[in-house]
Amino acid sequence: GAVVSQHPSWVICKSGTSVKIECRSLDFQATTMFWYRQFPKQSLMLMATSNEGSKATYEQGVEKDKFLINHASLTLSTLTVTSAHPEDSSFYICSAPWGLAWEETQYFGPGTRLLVL
Amino acid sequence: QKEVEQNSGPLSVPEGAIASLNCTYSDRGSQSFFWYRQYSGKSPELIMSIYSNGDKEDGRFTAQLNKASQYVSLLIRDSQPSDSATYLCAVNLMDSSYKLIFGSGTRLLVRP
Repeated sequence: GAVVSQHPSWVICKSGTSVKIECRSLDFQATTMFWYRQFPKQSLMLMATSNEGSKATYEQGVEKDKFLINHASLTLSTLTVTSAHPEDSSFYICSAPWGLAWEETQYFGPGTRLLVL
Repeated sequence: QKEVEQNSGPLSVPEGAIASLNCTYSDRGSQSFFWYRQYSGKSPELIMSIYSNGDKEDGRFTAQLNKASQYVSLLIRDSQPSDSATYLCAVNLMDSSYKLIFGSGTRLLVRP
């Protein structure tokens, strides 16, 4: 299957700072990537769809000015958590679809654990 | 609101038994269905995909799809303690977004 990487895997920051998380498709190109957030013992929550060369599409209730997404190339999407606060502490996971037509499947990165102090 | 429903569990089975995980979905037009396994603290890992009615087998895993009844199931034969994880059912939205809708997951516990 396809390989998706994320960096960093762990980040601890002070409240009010901004944190950038990278998501890369290593062996394929992805015009679309997805960003999820997962709180402890809860399911995945889709935050936004990252579109190469155009604006991201955010899910209802997700603040686009707080979670900045940039998809500048076919293999890289970035999520920047601006002015992070303790309630933003979570597990952030990206995914990218790969496969043929309607058999396309999403492959997940290993995730980034964010702790805001 | 398009939904995917799973029993949260935990489903507890003894080692060597068959674990049966079920999922129902609301969007009758869905065509692609997936099972992901998520270990605690890790990201989801694709286990099985299924697109046609019937059974699809891969090693100890069998996915079953019934579009008329709008349910998908995952059978794990000869369950091992290492299978203990949360299993997420996901359904592809049949629009241009390639989005997946995830169920809340079923926690499986395989007792040694």
